[in-house]
Amino acid sequence: DQQVKQNSPSLSVQEGRISILNCDYTNSMFDYFLWYKKYPAEGPTFLISISSIKDKNEDGRFTVFLNKSAKHLSLHIVPSQPGDSAVYFCAASARDNQGGKLIFGQGTELSVKP
Amino acid sequence: DAGVTQSPTHLIKTRGQQVTLRCSPKSGHDTVSWYQQALGQGPQFIFQYYEEEERQRGNFPDRFSGHQFPNYSSELNVNALLLGDSALYLCASSLQDRRYQPQHFGDGTRLSIL
Repeated sequence: DQQVKQNSPSLSVQEGRISILNCDYTNSMFDYFLWYKKYPAEGPTFLISISSIKDKNEDGRFTVFLNKSAKHLSLHIVPSQPGDSAVYFCAASARDNQGGKLIFGQGTELSVKP
Repeated sequence: DAGVTQSPTHLIKTRGQQVTLRCSPKSGHDTVSWYQQALGQGPQFIFQYYEEEERQRGNFPDRFSGHQFPNYSSELNVNALLLGDSALYLCASSLQDRRYQPQHFGDGTRLSIL
């Protein structure tokens, strides 16, 4: 039972353009959502998060949008840079989970071409 | 400010053996979570330790066990290794009373079972 899904295994974007990564979830108890970036041979690095009381959060070139009715979130990267090429994971935790156990999607590999 | 550190970085074992992986949390963090990441998949939650006790557990057999020490560092033990245990094992640290703060990950231990 995959509670967090990233349906696009890969995405290729031209440098300077917008990258949009998508994530769907099924558990209505999720109230905190995060995006992590992972380079080969490194651990996941936290990028940006959003709680369910918001529908948008921005940090520099990164913006996360949350649509609770559609159980969908997306990460926008503008402008995309070659250094953004990595695997991006969407993760969620549930409000009945004090410890904040994270449920991850399968990841989307972003390739930004110069 | 030291981040999450894990050791060793790589490990090769044979079926039936036992292994111990180690993790030191980010300075100031008191909670350690362990995840298993199989090739091409997102990390899967194994268990979480806080105040030297296992607080939550994912869908992993009893062959997987852990420990947390008074200095908050943690170990993951896996007994009777199977070929399917080959994966990247990630440790993440956080603060227990900070529900909406991200977990920070180490670079992982790559475990190969022959």
